[in-house]
Amino acid sequence: AQKVTQAQTEISVVEKEDVTLDCVYETRDTTYYLFWYKQPPSGELVFLIRRNSFDEQNEISGRYSWNFQKSTSSFNFTITASQVVDSAVYFCALSGGYGGATNKLIFGTGTLLAVQP
Amino acid sequence: DTGVSQDPRHKITKRGQNVTFRCDPISEHNRLYWYRQTLGQGPEFLTYFQNEAQLEKSRLLSDRFSAERPKGSFSTLEIQRTEQGDSAMYLCASSSPGTSGGYQETQYFGPGTRLLVL
Repeated sequence: AQKVTQAQTEISVVEKEDVTLDCVYETRDTTYYLFWYKQPPSGELVFLIRRNSFDEQNEISGRYSWNFQKSTSSFNFTITASQVVDSAVYFCALSGGYGGATNKLIFGTGTLLAVQP
Repeated sequence: DTGVSQDPRHKITKRGQNVTFRCDPISEHNRLYWYRQTLGQGPEFLTYFQNEAQLEKSRLLSDRFSAERPKGSFSTLEIQRTEQGDSAMYLCASSSPGTSGGYQETQYFGPGTRLLVL
């Protein structure tokens, strides 16, 4: 069965601090995709990144970076120099299958990030 | 290019009433998903369409729930005889399979319909 665990329920930091959000996944698929979404108070899920299981290169996009490690089944997300606008719930998600599968997303329970000014 | 839209954004109803939600996907996205999100939880998959065909339904989708996508464009989700446990955010997402070799898909979500059953 597929499962995503986000052990951190809430994190509170002060602006400009770096923060890492943890994500651990379980899957038996050899090909799978991992995602991070942001959900601000308005409720809409905003796509941040997709990573496939073939590519373990870390990725950086501005203040955001992602560390994918298959050996530990983790896909962690780091925000550098956090800002108040980063305050939101962040979800890690997993989909499996290769061609023809549903590719429904399996979400973790989310991490609420509060950035204090 | 407009994003996924959902209507209504909020719905308050009394137990036992029927409700219907609409989702308009990103144009030319042939895949459409419905998810349900309760307070403090991540979204949970309900059902999936490829074009007009409903290809998968979660066991969460009881017989009081029905979804359609009649022309492969917009979709509706109807809940009959609503119960208080149906109170949740109903999210719609759309996607299109990747074309650059392999299989890639990113689901883009709408703003959701927040349902409160009294």
